[in-house]
Amino acid sequence: DAGITQSPRHKVTETGTPVTLRCHQTENHRYMYWYRQDPGHGLRLIHYSYGVKDTDKGEVSDGYSVSRSKTEDFLLTLESATSSQTSVYFCAISDPSGAINEQFFGPGTRLTVL
Amino acid sequence: KQEVTQIPAALSVPEGENLVLNCSFTDSAIYNLQWFRQDPGKGLTSLLLIQSSQREQTSGRLNASLDKSSGRSTLYIAASQPGDSATYLCAVTAATFQKLVFGTGTRLLVSP
Repeated sequence: DAGITQSPRHKVTETGTPVTLRCHQTENHRYMYWYRQDPGHGLRLIHYSYGVKDTDKGEVSDGYSVSRSKTEDFLLTLESATSSQTSVYFCAISDPSGAINEQFFGPGTRLTVL
Repeated sequence: KQEVTQIPAALSVPEGENLVLNCSFTDSAIYNLQWFRQDPGKGLTSLLLIQSSQREQTSGRLNASLDKSSGRSTLYIAASQPGDSATYLCAVTAATFQKLVFGTGTRLLVSP
């Protein structure tokens, strides 16, 4: 298994509070991603990073920000959590080579916003 | 906009059966297609990746095929076992190279 950890694994918070989720990898992969998984929607990309301090938006980026100050860490921040952000969040990594971009996923963080 | 559909949404079979899971995508301009397995409450495990120039990939009892021109992929599972019970997801790497677009999955139950 790819060396990807996510913390916390579970979190319950209240509407309006800031929340930061952490993804840590030991594979030295260049790309890192944040997805959310919701029933009926599957997995959707929030943000991704293609290098230290290089990030870009995915399809559901509103209300989220990210930072990557080190190759191994990618942080996802909800500035002011809302109930619609209740979801399971997955981090993924990849190291594209040619036309191959195989992504490997972390164990997920279950976030509940009350 | 790329859309990925998986049919059926759920499938229940007795142990030992061979089965096929289907995945279709609307835009044939893909770089590769990846099949994942997800157990309840767990992350995704990559099963197979097919490059756009390939027709199929095999790993053990799993065989995935890709027909890019028709926008279809199938995952064939031979001699199914109860341990194969999980949700199977397919995802395509869309025209914007780095981004995976996922289907909503097929939930498989293999009964002893």
